[in-house]
Amino acid sequence: EVQLVESGGGLVQPGGSLRLSCAASGFTFSSDWMSWVRQAPGKGLEWVANIKPDGSEKYYVDSVKGRFTISRDNAKNSLYLQMNSLRAEDTAVYYCATERSHHWNYWGQGTLVTVSS
Amino acid sequence: QSALTQPPSASGSPGQSVTISCTGTSSDIGGYDYVSWYQQHPGKAPKLMIFEVSKRPSGVPDRFSGSKSGNTASLTVSGLQDEDEADYYCSSFAGRNKKFFGPGTKVTVL
Repeated sequence: EVQLVESGGGLVQPGGSLRLSCAASGFTFSSDWMSWVRQAPGKGLEWVANIKPDGSEKYYVDSVKGRFTISRDNAKNSLYLQMNSLRAEDTAVYYCATERSHHWNYWGQGTLVTVSS
Repeated sequence: QSALTQPPSASGSPGQSVTISCTGTSSDIGGYDYVSWYQQHPGKAPKLMIFEVSKRPSGVPDRFSGSKSGNTASLTVSGLQDEDEADYYCSSFAGRNKKFFGPGTKVTVL
């Protein structure tokens, strides 16, 4: 059974940093593209970033470029999102998801990030 | 920046059908067969219902079907059931590893 478990969310002040983690199991993690998708409270979904299986390619939505960094450790079956210079508009539930052919087939339960003073 | 549009709401009685549209442009929906649909119940993670316009993942009932015509994709739920009441989001690839979601449609089972 595929399992994706996010952690690392919490309350952070504007301008602060946070690192999200996603522990994967039940599939060959090193073979799949992985994504982070977020959802602001009461709002829709927004793709944030994705990373190639070997980590050699990374892509971001324009609003987080230069502030967020996606990475992975295939030896640990883990995905990460380093978030710097956080803004109020980054407040959201962050989901990690497996990605195939530009769709997301498995999702974690999400971790809430709140940016507020 | 792509902007997919969906109706904010749709409804039907049990057993009826409901169709949700997702309209984009030739740069996203019209340009690629990478349209997907997600179901989300309150407080839960999204669930993939349709990928590559009309393909159903294993375990998704065949009551759910997808199609595309030009710049508009559609999700049809036939034989509505109470558990189909949820938010539904479309998504499309838009080239250069850009992907966008629609704003979502709340489906109500009357």
